[in-house]
Amino acid sequence: NAGVTQTPKFRVLKTGQSMTLLCAQDMNHEYMYWYRQDPGMGLRLIHYSVGEGTTAKGEVPDGYNVSRLKKQNFLLGLESAAPSQTSVYFCASRALTGGADTQYFGPGTRLTVL
Amino acid sequence: RKEVEQDPGPFNVPEGATVAFNCTYSNSASQSFFWYRQDCRKEPKLLMSVYSSGNEDGRFTAQLNRASQYISLLIRDSKLSDSATYLCVVNGGLTGGGNKLTFGTGTQLKVEL
Repeated sequence: NAGVTQTPKFRVLKTGQSMTLLCAQDMNHEYMYWYRQDPGMGLRLIHYSVGEGTTAKGEVPDGYNVSRLKKQNFLLGLESAAPSQTSVYFCASRALTGGADTQYFGPGTRLTVL
Repeated sequence: RKEVEQDPGPFNVPEGATVAFNCTYSNSASQSFFWYRQDCRKEPKLLMSVYSSGNEDGRFTAQLNRASQYISLLIRDSKLSDSATYLCVVNGGLTGGGNKLTFGTGTQLKVEL
């Protein structure tokens, strides 16, 4: 049981390049989330999904796209990277069972855009 | 005004001390409340949920005051291993319903010898 995994762990991009971050969870959770974390800003929600085939915008969706083709995977895409997208990206899946509500985070992807 | 506000700290306390963090939230319709812990350069992890009646987990006690819209976390007998950033988290927020959590920016705790 790996929990939530993210690939890659680190990446350096040049302005204008594109990339996809992959999040995978093996806990059969319906809800999945992408956040970015910047110093002094806390975690901000980019996009989220409440089930396979569904996605919704969060607080800071501009410049990002997502897809949830399979329940266990949630992909975050940057079509044309900008220096303002330099950040740490966390994926999370959410368990809502037995009255509990817990988000499980992946280890993060550290992205630098030059 | 931020949806969830916390004092960023840092709180520097000696080992064995008792320390309390407060957090305020702006959406009176929020239903669920949590404290997450984040170690340096690691992912956040759930520390405890916060219930209306207050709840305790070992050395940690969480309280909720709905009338004043604040949440507190009390840590007794601090350990070096408690050094981390503590995130106040609210379900719902102004921009979403029950599908989203809103995170505070965190309060940094440093426990010293």
